Amino acid sequence: QKEVEQNSGPLSVPEGAIASLNCTYSDRGSQSFFWYRQYSGKSPELIMFIYSNGDKEDGRFTAQLNKASQYVSLLIRDSQPSDSATYLCAVNSNYGQNFVFGPGTRLSVLP
Amino acid sequence: KAGVTQTPRYLIKTRGQQVTLSCSPISGHRSVSWYQQTPGQGLQFLFEYFSETQRNKGNFPGRFSGRQFSNSRSEMNVSTLELGDSALYLCASSGTINEQFFGPGTRLTVL
Repeated sequence: QKEVEQNSGPLSVPEGAIASLNCTYSDRGSQSFFWYRQYSGKSPELIMFIYSNGDKEDGRFTAQLNKASQYVSLLIRDSQPSDSATYLCAVNSNYGQNFVFGPGTRLSVLP
Repeated sequence: KAGVTQTPRYLIKTRGQQVTLSCSPISGHRSVSWYQQTPGQGLQFLFEYFSETQRNKGNFPGRFSGRQFSNSRSEMNVSTLELGDSALYLCASSGTINEQFFGPGTRLTVL
């Protein structure tokens, strides 16, 4: 059973701080990794994807991947109240589109 | 470019009935995946269709079925509805790149 684990939170950070979201996965064959943001009552929205070990930056977001440790994280710099949402980690083995999602981490950015 | 569309957005059914949900992917995308999202179980993969063929399937009973048409539009059907089928059903489409883009979802309530 392929599993993706996340701390459910809530994770509370003050406005302007760095929010760090973590995700671990069980399938060593996993090849691609995604972070989605989901606001309450809305569908998931793709924020970032990463395929290779290391860091990938996009604006205020940085995804970090360590395949040896089966660990992927998302850093949000200069957190804003509008970043308050549930963040879903997803992992794909690259065979088709069989994504496995984590349970999500609820982030609350306090003004 | 228009996003993923799903119809209907809301649906109320009673136990024992059947339901059909529709999804139109982003133009040019040939892969359509379906997910069920509930507060208790999170986002769970139902199945994926690519070029009218089911390419991946999750661990759901046979009451859940789907199909894809030549224009990549997809439908999923749930027969003999149970109370536990109440959920947000999400459709996601993918093109040649690995990322999935979600539609707004269909919220199904079974009474």
